[in-house]
Amino acid sequence: GQSLEQPSEVTAVEGAIVQINCTYQTSGFYGLSWYQQHDGGAPTFLSYNALDGLEETGRFSSFLSRSDSYGYLLLQELQMKDSASYFCAVRDGYNTDKLIFGTGTRLQVFP
Amino acid sequence: DVKVTQSSRYLVKRTGEKVFLECVQDMDHENMFWYRQDPGLGLRLIYFSYDVKMKEKGDIPEGYSVSREKKERFSLILESASTNQTSMYLCASSSSDHAVTDTQYFGPGTRLTVL
Repeated sequence: GQSLEQPSEVTAVEGAIVQINCTYQTSGFYGLSWYQQHDGGAPTFLSYNALDGLEETGRFSSFLSRSDSYGYLLLQELQMKDSASYFCAVRDGYNTDKLIFGTGTRLQVFP
Repeated sequence: DVKVTQSSRYLVKRTGEKVFLECVQDMDHENMFWYRQDPGLGLRLIYFSYDVKMKEKGDIPEGYSVSREKKERFSLILESASTNQTSMYLCASSSSDHAVTDTQYFGPGTRLTVL
């Protein structure tokens, strides 16, 4: 079956850089997504990697290495508002639109 | 902008009651999903639907059923609510055209408490 692993919690200070890792085990691979969820809020899409390498969107970047079944989300110039949970997700197969989500990493940013 | 709405933000029900959670999306998406979210367990898929009147079980369908009579609306039904169904319920939708991404758009969630 499909499974994803990510750390349960990460802490950092404002202005710092933090990396949230995600390793996955899948029978096929169709891209790695990242979602952000603030306390009490809905998950929102952040980024998607289908191919190896780094995708940059402002202060956030996402990296993928398909040979290592590994990806990470990089958050730069951390702000207090970045305190949230971050989930990685993969598609459950070729002929499905189901996503399998990791259990989430809670990021706490301190002043 | 995609908008996914859910009928209630907070709901309190008694054990044994039949509970209906409604979800509506306005982007003409083919796919709709129901998840429950519990601390430390992430998002777990209950049911999903890829077309009107079509449904598939997710990872934890026991105790739940769904209905999709119209493309924009996907309902989750708890036939006889139990205390272990106290949770946050999240609805999501996505396009079946995943040539680019599989982005799912989530509603604000319904926090259900079963007493």
